[in-house]
Amino acid sequence: KNEVEQSPQNLTAQEGEFITINCSYSVGISALHWLQQHPGGGIVSLFMLSSGKKKHGRLIATINIQEKHSSLHITASHPRDSAVYICAVGGAGKSTFGDGTTLTVKP
Amino acid sequence: DGGITQSPKYLFRKEGQNVTLSCEQNLNHDAMYWYRQDPGQGLRLIYYSQIVNDFQKGDIAEGYSVSREKKESFPLTVTSAQKNPTAFYLCASSSGGGSAPDTQYFGPGTRLTVL
Repeated sequence: KNEVEQSPQNLTAQEGEFITINCSYSVGISALHWLQQHPGGGIVSLFMLSSGKKKHGRLIATINIQEKHSSLHITASHPRDSAVYICAVGGAGKSTFGDGTTLTVKP
Repeated sequence: DGGITQSPKYLFRKEGQNVTLSCEQNLNHDAMYWYRQDPGQGLRLIYYSQIVNDFQKGDIAEGYSVSREKKESFPLTVTSAQKNPTAFYLCASSSGGGSAPDTQYFGPGTRLTVL
């Protein structure tokens, strides 16, 4: 069993829909990261969370430390949101990554 | 512009040859990392370095080697001992230092194909 599990593995949505991607982990962590990988391969860090909730534009990330679970929400999804979203957990120096959720938003 | 660069973007090598992938950052970050990504799989840590002249093995270090002679550079050599080297390689850096986790900044990646 992976230390970091993401669901769903693949997600297709229509433009404008509300998106939720989930991440569950089995190890103790000091922080959780949400990353976005574009089709060309480049990775951008979206959020680093250790508690509560963070918002940036149409993206919202939440974490429940007790339940070892985090969610990434995208409001009013757009085709440019199509990417692989990766959850990573860890402490200083090393992170463990989920396998990613491939999101496709259709116009 | 501050950032992290990797070169080349695509690399082809014959089986049995060593190949070195470049990673440079001008973010003044102490920590640097190398990851491997295979289709449909998560990133796996090959090596990481938290300070110049020091580095540690990650989860899949066999068949790879690194050096960290300068703060801004962390080259990765894929040796002929690596049994399945064809993959997408990503380099990252973070400010590092201390026990607190910090955001990693990723390079654009190098796609290595061994023929």
